[in-house]
Amino acid sequence: DVKVTQSSRYLVKRTGEKVFLECVQDMDHENMFWYRQDPGLGLRLIYFSYDVKMKEKGDIPEGYSVSREKKERFSLILESASTNQTSMYLCASRTLKDEQYFGPGTRLTVT
Amino acid sequence: KQEVTQIPAALSVPEGENLVLNCSFTDSAIYNLQWFRQDPGKGLTSLLLIQSSQREQTSGRLNASLDKSSGRSTLYIAASQPGDSATYLCAVSSQGGKLIFGQGTELSVKP
Repeated sequence: DVKVTQSSRYLVKRTGEKVFLECVQDMDHENMFWYRQDPGLGLRLIYFSYDVKMKEKGDIPEGYSVSREKKERFSLILESASTNQTSMYLCASRTLKDEQYFGPGTRLTVT
Repeated sequence: KQEVTQIPAALSVPEGENLVLNCSFTDSAIYNLQWFRQDPGKGLTSLLLIQSSQREQTSGRLNASLDKSSGRSTLYIAASQPGDSATYLCAVSSQGGKLIFGQGTELSVKP
């Protein structure tokens, strides 16, 4: 079974802090994705990566950056956290058959 | 721009009933369609993936159909159980694996 893990289930940070959210998959998948989920707005794509050191902007990349130094790990970085980045963050990995598997999510609160 | 709509937004049924969840999309040029389940506060669990060349997929009590020409998919759940209570999301995949999600249908199955 595909396993996607995220570093934290819950996280509380202060405005202005630098925040790292990490995602690891164990199936050697090339494609990985970061989404955020908000009530009334659904899931929206922040960034994705096709391979190591490659990254592409999604629909809402402002205020975020990503890092993919190793194939199994895809990190989402909030350079200076703001209250409007309070959200549920979901990481996904894509199989060769184009099926996406999601991690358990990180609920981030910025105060 | 692709838009995905799910109707109804919420559904409550008695245990044992068969039910259908609907998903529609505006652009028929999709690579595949995926149905997910999400329990409160949790990540997404992949239920079924239908490739664009397929018309349906089945897994246990679940059956998903796809009609690309009309821009519709349905998820049929047979003999519903209280454990089926969750939010069900459909998502269509464009080139590169980017998923566009519907807002979801919140299902409640009452004993």
